[in-house]
Amino acid sequence: AQKITQTQPGMFVQEKEAVTLDCTYDTSDQSYGLFWYKQPSSGEMIFLIYQGSYDEQNATEGRYSLNFQKARKSANLVISASQLGDSAMYFCAMRGSYYGNNRLAFGKGNQVVVIP
Amino acid sequence: KAGVTQTPRYLIKTRGQQVTLSCSPISGHRSVSWYQQTPGQGLQFLFEYFSETQRNKGNFPGRFSGRQFSNSRSEMNVSTLELGDSALYLCASSLEGQGAVNTEAFFGQGTRLTVV
Repeated sequence: AQKITQTQPGMFVQEKEAVTLDCTYDTSDQSYGLFWYKQPSSGEMIFLIYQGSYDEQNATEGRYSLNFQKARKSANLVISASQLGDSAMYFCAMRGSYYGNNRLAFGKGNQVVVIP
Repeated sequence: KAGVTQTPRYLIKTRGQQVTLSCSPISGHRSVSWYQQTPGQGLQFLFEYFSETQRNKGNFPGRFSGRQFSNSRSEMNVSTLELGDSALYLCASSLEGQGAVNTEAFFGQGTRLTVV
């Protein structure tokens, strides 16, 4: 079984500042993938960034970077230079690597509000 | 390229009724997964269909069922609706169904079901 933990309360972030969202996970899979999604109030889940368990370098996608610490089983998301449009729920998710598995396990999410 | 389309966007049903939700994946995607999102339980995996076959199933009662058609469009059905079935139902489509961990899941905007 896979478990994702996101425990931070709602966060207020000043525009143009950076914010770090914590994610820890637990799995018995040797190979797995970690994802971050953004969910605005409209409800759609928007893919942000992916990190593979065997990737040696931390993933980056524009203003998003993933601080992956495999030994600690953490995959924190860093959003640099926050924008008002970044206000949303953010979900950490993972998927094990075995044939026929497209099942994502999600954390409870982090609420982020960017203030001008 | 069209994204994942879910219809309808909103539904209000009475307890005891049944409901059918539809999901049209991105063209060429053969894997469709369904998730239920509630404030209390968060995002929970319902089931996944690949090439018209249910491949994975979450821990939901038999009242929740689904199917996939030859064009990869998927429907999920909930019979004998209960108040607790009120939720946002999200559909995700993926290009490959071979467990590749970096296979991104693209989500639709969801169907918000309210049971009264």
